[in-house]
Amino acid sequence: EPEVTQTPSHQVTQMGQEVILRCVPISNHLYFYWYRQILGQKVEFLVSFYNNEISEKSEIFDDQFSVERPDGSNFTLKIRSTKLEDSAMYFCASSLGTGGLFDEQYFGPGTRLTVT
Amino acid sequence: GQNIDQPTEMTATEGAIVQINCTYQTSGFNGLFWYQQHAGEAPTFLSYNVLDGLEEKGRFSSFLSRSKGYSYLLLKELQMKDSASYLCAVTGSSASKIIFGSGTRLSIRP
Repeated sequence: EPEVTQTPSHQVTQMGQEVILRCVPISNHLYFYWYRQILGQKVEFLVSFYNNEISEKSEIFDDQFSVERPDGSNFTLKIRSTKLEDSAMYFCASSLGTGGLFDEQYFGPGTRLTVT
Repeated sequence: GQNIDQPTEMTATEGAIVQINCTYQTSGFNGLFWYQQHAGEAPTFLSYNVLDGLEEKGRFSSFLSRSKGYSYLLLKELQMKDSASYLCAVTGSSASKIIFGSGTRLSIRP
């Protein structure tokens, strides 16, 4: 069964450094998403991406965040200058983009980002 | 804005039935999801309700009342592997943006 994959599974970085989290969505999916979950807290929407542009973003997704689809398979989240409070599990998801109300999002296993 | 309320923790016995309630207030409403999340893992999709009523899928059922802003997830014949967090989530005015509740941590005892 096709699945969303994410690399690395765990990333440790120092405050102020740039990180890039990588995702490979399911191949025929058209919508891509990033969510984050700070330890012990709820899953939070960051951004959705369709047709090579951001379709929606939350207030969390400020100027230090960016997303890119650099080729036909990868979808990346870049954090420009990491802060301690960016430590979280970051989940990538993808969906077919059926255009209807129900468009199941398939989640990847997550990347645990630790900022020291 | 959106607000989703569900109990923080619940405990149930193996083989029994448990109902996890969720109430929500959203600006715009498209549908309601239930996800299961084991510790350290990604959420996995359980159910989606857009119309009022009960959706049954094996041991799991989900109910929605749009007029009351209320849903529940019913788990039957509980198994130890059902110990997990159960996340109530909604899509509001945008169908592509899922807003999650804080989750209900369900513990199953033998």
